[in-house]
Amino acid sequence: QKEVEQNSGPLSVPEGAIASLNCTYSDRVSQSFFWYRQYSGKSPELIMSIYSNGDKEDGRFTAQLNKASQYVSLLIRDSQPSDSATYLCAVNRGSGTYKYIFGTGTRLKVLA
Amino acid sequence: SAVISQKPSRDICQRGTSLTIQCQVDSQVTMMFWYRQQPGQSLTLIATANQGSEATYESGFVIDKFPISRPNLTFSTLTVSNMSPEDSSIYLCSVGGDFNTEAFFGQGTRLTVV
Repeated sequence: QKEVEQNSGPLSVPEGAIASLNCTYSDRVSQSFFWYRQYSGKSPELIMSIYSNGDKEDGRFTAQLNKASQYVSLLIRDSQPSDSATYLCAVNRGSGTYKYIFGTGTRLKVLA
Repeated sequence: SAVISQKPSRDICQRGTSLTIQCQVDSQVTMMFWYRQQPGQSLTLIATANQGSEATYESGFVIDKFPISRPNLTFSTLTVSNMSPEDSSIYLCSVGGDFNTEAFFGQGTRLTVV
């Protein structure tokens, strides 16, 4: 079992729709969770961080965390073609450790 | 967030040679991280560079192949030694990510070994 799992996609959604990206992780002691967006040929760019159960909203983006289910998701409302990218989920165990574990990413395609 | 400058942005190298990648940060940071992203893959941590001590390497990565320097709190280098085509990847410098903080990345170095 991979430590951080994501569906590789591509996930195709029409412009204006909600894109839902999912991530599961295996280590129950993980404490911090991050979503990065990576355009082709570019480096990852931080979109959201979330540390406690529930929802966290930032503009069109909402991160959802459920530690009991070891599940974190990213919702993108009013999806735009410019949102087309690979979205990486990253998990940090915290507790004085620093290592990020990245998922393989989900490729999102927003269709105009 | 820190501003991270990484160079070169890309290079094409002959097998058997070495390439040194530089990473400069606009503020002092405790830890700097080096990642590799192979084509179509996610990020894999190569090593963590702390100022004043030897780098800590992840499983599968060794100092002879990927020597790292960290001469001060704003700068680090990663050398890819005795390169083979299998080393063709994007190499990324990162700061932050320690003690639950957010990690930020340099622009990356796209390396092609021929």
